[in-house]
Amino acid sequence: ELKVEQNPLFLSMQEGKNYTIYCNYSTTSDRLYWYRQDPGKSLESLFVLLSNGAVKQEGRLMASLDTKARLSTLHITAAVHDLSATYFCAVTNQAGTALIFGKGTTLSVSS
Amino acid sequence: NAGVTQTPKFRVLKTGQSMTLLCAQDMNHEYMYWYRQDPGMGLRLIHYSVGEGTTAKGEVPDGYNVSRLKKQNFLLGLESAAPSQTSVYFCASSLTGSPLHFGNGTRLTVT
Repeated sequence: ELKVEQNPLFLSMQEGKNYTIYCNYSTTSDRLYWYRQDPGKSLESLFVLLSNGAVKQEGRLMASLDTKARLSTLHITAAVHDLSATYFCAVTNQAGTALIFGKGTTLSVSS
Repeated sequence: NAGVTQTPKFRVLKTGQSMTLLCAQDMNHEYMYWYRQDPGMGLRLIHYSVGEGTTAKGEVPDGYNVSRLKKQNFLLGLESAAPSQTSVYFCASSLTGSPLHFGNGTRLTVT
């Protein structure tokens, strides 16, 4: 059974600081996604990572994938208040027919 | 384009009542999904469909039934609602299994 674990589950950051969110998954998967959810809203796709060593960056967020370690990281550089949200990683099941999500990391950035 | 539309947006049920949630997509996607989101639990897959006339169980299927009679619609039914089914329900669709395009959610309260 595929399990996806994120840590930390809650993260309180100061503006300008850097931090990393970790996503571990238990079985082989061919792609990993990061989503963002603002309070009361739906989910928005941020990144898809397709292969070992893949790195994607947009603004202050950078995602990477290590398929051998079954680990993805979402690195936040110089956090700003607008990044406050819940971030989910999700991994395709073995059949490639569905996404299984982690529990999410709720990020709060304050000045 | 409407994308993925969920109906209704909010609903309150009494224990034992039944209801159907409707998901409609206009993107000609083959795959459709129902997730539930609870605080601290992330998104959990209830049921999904890989094409018209097909359904499959996800991580938490008990107490729910689904039907996909038309490609564009995916119905989620609760035959006898329980307070444990109080949640936010998200429908999603995909062309190939990922990425997912999400609806705006249905907030269901069972008293």
